[in-house]
Amino acid sequence: QVQLQESGPELVKPSETLSLTCSVSGGSINNYYWSWIRQPPGKGLEWIGYVYYSGRTNYNPSLKGRVTISVDTSKSQFSLKVTSVTAADTAVYYCATRTTLITPYDFEIWGQGTMVTVSS
Amino acid sequence: QSALTQPASVSGSPGQSITISCTGTSSDVGGYNYVSWYQQHPGKAPKVIIYEVSNRPSGVFNRFSGSKSGNTASLTISGLQAEDEADYYCSSYTTSSTLVVFGGGTKLTVL
Repeated sequence: QVQLQESGPELVKPSETLSLTCSVSGGSINNYYWSWIRQPPGKGLEWIGYVYYSGRTNYNPSLKGRVTISVDTSKSQFSLKVTSVTAADTAVYYCATRTTLITPYDFEIWGQGTMVTVSS
Repeated sequence: QSALTQPASVSGSPGQSITISCTGTSSDVGGYNYVSWYQQHPGKAPKVIIYEVSNRPSGVFNRFSGSKSGNTASLTISGLQAEDEADYYCSSYTTSSTLVVFGGGTKLTVL
């Protein structure tokens, strides 16, 4: 069974870049879609984007071009970068995937989530 | 404002059944069968309980069922139990550039 684990800084200064990594264990990173989803404190879920194992990506346009998601199949990891962060980017960030079907539209496996706070 | 509309809260007593609605448009819920439901307990990651409108992942109790009519999807929980108290989110594929949209979430209280 695939397991996901997010890692990265918990505190980021305004205008800087948020960088997170999701490590994939218990299965292959190949042939699936790998997504990032975030949840501001006390609010709902927001899809950020995905990367296919081949490197193909798709992003939520609401993030206005500030997002990059990449994959490193040799390390079984995929990463998220959000530039020019503001307090509105403060959230729990989850990595997620589905391995029972090759689809980016739903998520059966989630990481535990990592809280990232944007503050000076 | 979320793309999919859910009631903010629902409640029920143990043993009862409740239904949570998720209303979208023909560009998402109504047009495609990529509707999923997630259960989230406080401080935990969401857990998928229904995908593709009505399919239950392995290990999810059959007390949870999903359906769709027109632009509205529904999650029904029968035989409510205390541990069902959680937040529930729907999601759907959308033809908009957003690709995946979530509902605003529904807080289920078991009385």
